[in-house]
Amino acid sequence: EPEVTQTPSHQVTQMGQEVILRCVPISNHLYFYWYRQILGQKVEFLVSFYNNEISEKSEIFDDQFSVERPDGSNFTLKIRSTKLEDSAMYFCASSRAGGLNTGELFFGEGSRLTVL
Amino acid sequence: KQEVTQIPAALSVPEGENLVLNCSFTDSAIYNLQWFRQDPGKGLTSLLLIQSSQREQTSGRLNASLDKSSGRSTLYIAASQPGDSATYLCAVIRAGTASKLTFGTGTRLQVTL
Repeated sequence: EPEVTQTPSHQVTQMGQEVILRCVPISNHLYFYWYRQILGQKVEFLVSFYNNEISEKSEIFDDQFSVERPDGSNFTLKIRSTKLEDSAMYFCASSRAGGLNTGELFFGEGSRLTVL
Repeated sequence: KQEVTQIPAALSVPEGENLVLNCSFTDSAIYNLQWFRQDPGKGLTSLLLIQSSQREQTSGRLNASLDKSSGRSTLYIAASQPGDSATYLCAVIRAGTASKLTFGTGTRLQVTL
């Protein structure tokens, strides 16, 4: 069964360092997403991406964050200068369609980011 | 702004019991509602998707219903098993958004032997 894969599963970094989290969405999906979950809190939307553009982003997704689809298979989230409060589990997701026709979103296992 | 609430926050039941998890949302203009399962420290596994035009969906021992006008969904689990122990999350996509899911806080379920 196709699945969303994420790397790394866990990353520890120093405050102020750049971090890139990587995702391989399901191959025939066109919409891609990043969500995060701070320990003990709700899963929160960060950004959605379609046709090589950001289609929606939350207030969390400020100038420190960026997303890219560098090739036909990978989807990345970059945090330019990490802060302590960026420590969270980051989930990548994908879906075949979006908007009114959005079906199921499929999530990866997550990348746990710890900022020291 | 869409708010999603789940009650109860935690539930413990003996094996074999049928149970109901509740989800409510404040804005009834949604595209769909999705139920997920999350094991500790793990990702989100999709259980059921209900489109806004549907009333319910079934998968095995799981049945999810949707009452859009009242902003409610329930997840019914029949004949619970210890392997069902996990956190169950509901999430909605509000109409007019580009597939942004808004999640509830989840119900932590423990099924005991």
